[in-house]
Amino acid sequence: DVKVTQSSRYLVKRTGEKVFLECVQDMDHENMFWYRQDPGLGLRLIYFSYDVKMKEKGDIPEGYSVSREKKERFSLILESASTNQTSMYLCASSPPTPVNYNEQFFGPGTRLTVL
Amino acid sequence: SQQGEEDPQALSIQEGENATMNCSYKTSINNLQWYRQNSGRGLVHLILIRSNEREKHSGRLRVTLDTSKKSSSLLITASRAADTASYFCATDVPFGNEKLTFGTGTRLTIIP
Repeated sequence: DVKVTQSSRYLVKRTGEKVFLECVQDMDHENMFWYRQDPGLGLRLIYFSYDVKMKEKGDIPEGYSVSREKKERFSLILESASTNQTSMYLCASSPPTPVNYNEQFFGPGTRLTVL
Repeated sequence: SQQGEEDPQALSIQEGENATMNCSYKTSINNLQWYRQNSGRGLVHLILIRSNEREKHSGRLRVTLDTSKKSSSLLITASRAADTASYFCATDVPFGNEKLTFGTGTRLTIIP
């Protein structure tokens, strides 16, 4: 079974802190994604990566950056956390199409609170 | 903007009844997927239907797709308490770089 793990289930940070959210997958998937989930807004794509050192902006990249130095690991970085970045962050991975027709495998999520 | 919009936003039914959720989308798609999310957890893939398919079954799940109306429905038959969760549709688009666009979800509550 595919396993996607995220470094923390709950995280509390202060405004202005630099925050790192880590995601690791064990199925050698090329594609990895970071979403944030807010009530009433569903999942919104922040960034995704289709290969090591490759990244593309999603729908809401402002205030975030990412790093993919190894195939299995995709990091989301909040350079200077703000209260409006309080949210649930979900990581996902997928093999390249047409293997699974874009089915994504999700981690358990990190609930980040910025005070 | 949201490619997929689920309807209703919330649904409560008695255990044993059938639950139907709908999803509408705006642009042409390659396929449409449904995911389930238990409270405070990640999403789990349920079923995928391709744009050239009209209906698909998996256990107690039945998905339909009407590309002319840009809509899909998810039917869960003989609901169980364990089906209580949020359900999301997700679409991809031709040449969309393997991204998915998720809807806002339907919160399903099964009353024992």
